[in-house]
Amino acid sequence: DGGITQSPKYLFRKEGQNVTLSCEQNLNHDAMYWYRQDPGQGLRLIYYSQIVNDFQKGDIAEGYSVSREKKESFPLTVTSAQKNPTAFYLCASRTSTGGGYGYTFGSGTRLTVV
Amino acid sequence: GNSVTQMEGPVTLSEEAFLTINCTYTATGYPSLFWYVQYPGEGLQLLLKATKADDKGSNKGFEATYRKETTSFHLEKGSVQVSDSAVYFCALSSSNAGGTSYGKLTFGQGTILTVHP
Repeated sequence: DGGITQSPKYLFRKEGQNVTLSCEQNLNHDAMYWYRQDPGQGLRLIYYSQIVNDFQKGDIAEGYSVSREKKESFPLTVTSAQKNPTAFYLCASRTSTGGGYGYTFGSGTRLTVV
Repeated sequence: GNSVTQMEGPVTLSEEAFLTINCTYTATGYPSLFWYVQYPGEGLQLLLKATKADDKGSNKGFEATYRKETTSFHLEKGSVQVSDSAVYFCALSSSNAGGTSYGKLTFGQGTILTVHP
C-alpha cells in the first residue's frame, strides 16, 4: 500500500547535536511538508517542497534544514541552533493537483532532547 | 494572513452525547476547509472536507458545513462513541480564483475530545 514512512518513531538527542528525521513516500506526490506539533499549539509549518531540488521556508524554519534530492524523500535536520527542539514532527505529502485536499500524513517522530 | 481558531478544550462527553467543536477562520483567496483527527501516538487522518461555500462534508457520522457568511466550519456528531476520543484539528488551505492551491495547510490549535462510557 502507498503511504508515508517516518523514522524513527522516537528519537533522543543530546543538546548541541544535529539530528536528521527521515520521511519517505511512495505515493508519487510532488509536494512534501514538515510540520511541528507542540501541545496546545496545533501544527506549524517548518519547510515545504513543491518539486525536487526546490524547497521553501515555512513559518518556523529557524534552526532546521531540509533537502529534496529525490521525489520520494524529504529529510529534516534539526540543528543545534534550534533552541527548543523537543516536539512531535509530522511529515506530509500532496499531489500537485489535489486542490488542497490530497494530503497524506506520516505517523510522526517524537524528538526529545536530553 | 490565514488563521484558524478552534474552541478551547479539552471536551469531555458521555457516550451517545451530542458533539460540537467550533471552528472559525480568516483567509485570503478561496479556502478549502478540513477537519483532521489524530489518535494517540499517530499522525493525522483526514476526517472530512469542504471546498466551497455551503458545502457539507461528512464522514463516520461527523458533519461540518462551510459557512462563508460566518467564516465558520463547526464539527458536529449526533452521538459520540468512546472510539471517537482523539484530538481534532480544523484546517484550511487557501487557493486563488482559478482554483490553484497554494498547498499549505493552516491549522487550529486542536481540541482534545474524551468520551466516557
